[in-house]
Amino acid sequence: DAGVTQSPTHLIKTRGQQVTLRCSPKSGHDTVSWYQQALGQGPQFIFQYYEEEERQRGNFPDRFSGHQFPNYSSELNVNALLLGDSALYLCASSLVLAGEETQYFGPGTRLLVL
Amino acid sequence: LAKTTQPISMDSYEGQEVNITCSHNNIATNDYITWYQQFPSQGPRFIIQGYKTKVTNEVASLFIPADRKSSTLSLPRVSLSDTAVYYCLVALSGGSYIPTFGRGTSLIVHP
Repeated sequence: DAGVTQSPTHLIKTRGQQVTLRCSPKSGHDTVSWYQQALGQGPQFIFQYYEEEERQRGNFPDRFSGHQFPNYSSELNVNALLLGDSALYLCASSLVLAGEETQYFGPGTRLLVL
Repeated sequence: LAKTTQPISMDSYEGQEVNITCSHNNIATNDYITWYQQFPSQGPRFIIQGYKTKVTNEVASLFIPADRKSSTLSLPRVSLSDTAVYYCLVALSGGSYIPTFGRGTSLIVHP
């Protein structure tokens, strides 16, 4: 049973560029969440997708957008990259069962903005 | 949003039991408590999750008092490979939440 997968593993961009990160959820999961983790900090919630719609959103600007596909995979798009967007981007998938939900994380994509 | 507070760092030795406590004073009725382990440049790994009393699995135990305002992750007989950052997360209740991680507890296990 494959866990959560993310691509690419590493990425280097320059300021002002746009980036797309991809995530495939754990088999059987229908919900995908995205997090940004700066060095030395805990993960910060960006948004969550369920049934192809954004369900919850953290305190991130509109430059951060996403999409969920019918097969539950997801993309995170960041426009007009800033140096401060350099971070580890984590995807987590989950499934709600009897009111309980557990998020399982992927390995992350390390983004460096120069 | 349920805010969590953990010790910034802890030290232990191989073979000892380690207990890491997390405070979450404003936990909501429907919130669960989840603990994760994270190694550098990797995604957090699920350790254990619970709602009340005690939960145990093959790697850890989770103790939650009746008021649920705190929780304690217990790692029995730690090894060097348990050196990592540990996060507690509150507010996984089926979609109506914004999960908030703290800065975690950096555990260093010494030989």
